[in-house]
Amino acid sequence: DAGITQSPRHKVTETGTPVTLRCHQTENHRYMYWYRQDPGHGLRLIHYSYGVKDTDKGEVSDGYSVSRSKTEDFLLTLESATSSQTSVYFCAISGLPGQGPSGTGELFFGEGSRLTVL
Amino acid sequence: QKEVEQDPGPLSVPEGAIVSLNCTYSNSAFQYFMWYRQYSRKGPELLMYTYSSGNKEDGRFTAQVDKSSKYISLFIRDSQPSDSATYLCAMRTNDYKLSFGAGTTVTVRA
Repeated sequence: DAGITQSPRHKVTETGTPVTLRCHQTENHRYMYWYRQDPGHGLRLIHYSYGVKDTDKGEVSDGYSVSRSKTEDFLLTLESATSSQTSVYFCAISGLPGQGPSGTGELFFGEGSRLTVL
Repeated sequence: QKEVEQDPGPLSVPEGAIVSLNCTYSNSAFQYFMWYRQYSRKGPELLMYTYSSGNKEDGRFTAQVDKSSKYISLFIRDSQPSDSATYLCAMRTNDYKLSFGAGTTVTVRA
């Protein structure tokens, strides 16, 4: 299994509070991603990183920020959590195309972080 | 309109049946096509991948890509209860971001 650890795995918080989710990898992969998964929507990209301090927005980035100060860590922050951000959040990592068993730079996912905003 | 469309099901079949899953897409620039399998309360894992058009077989699994119709399929032969999961199609262009379908939940009844 790819070495990806997400923390916390479960969190319940209240509307308006800040929340930070952490993704830690031991694979030294260049690319890291944060997705959210909701019924009927599948996986949607929030933000991604293509190197230390290099990040970019995905399709559902409003209300989220990220930081990557080290290759192994990618943080997702909800500055002021809302009920619409109740979801399961997945971190993923990938190397460059041509890397990985498939040669496609496949994504490896963490176990997910289940966030409930009351 | 979503970039990738996938019927969420759910799909329930008896053990031994053939499972047929499919996705349609609108972006003609997609080059890499993948299927991920996700067990309950777990992260997705890569099951099959195909580059451009064609078929690919791996054991009981066959992936097909028809770029002219913007249509991809996954077939599971001799389905087993252990195949019960959510299957997500995914595809990308030459950059590093995947676009996912909504996922189809499959249950194989013993």
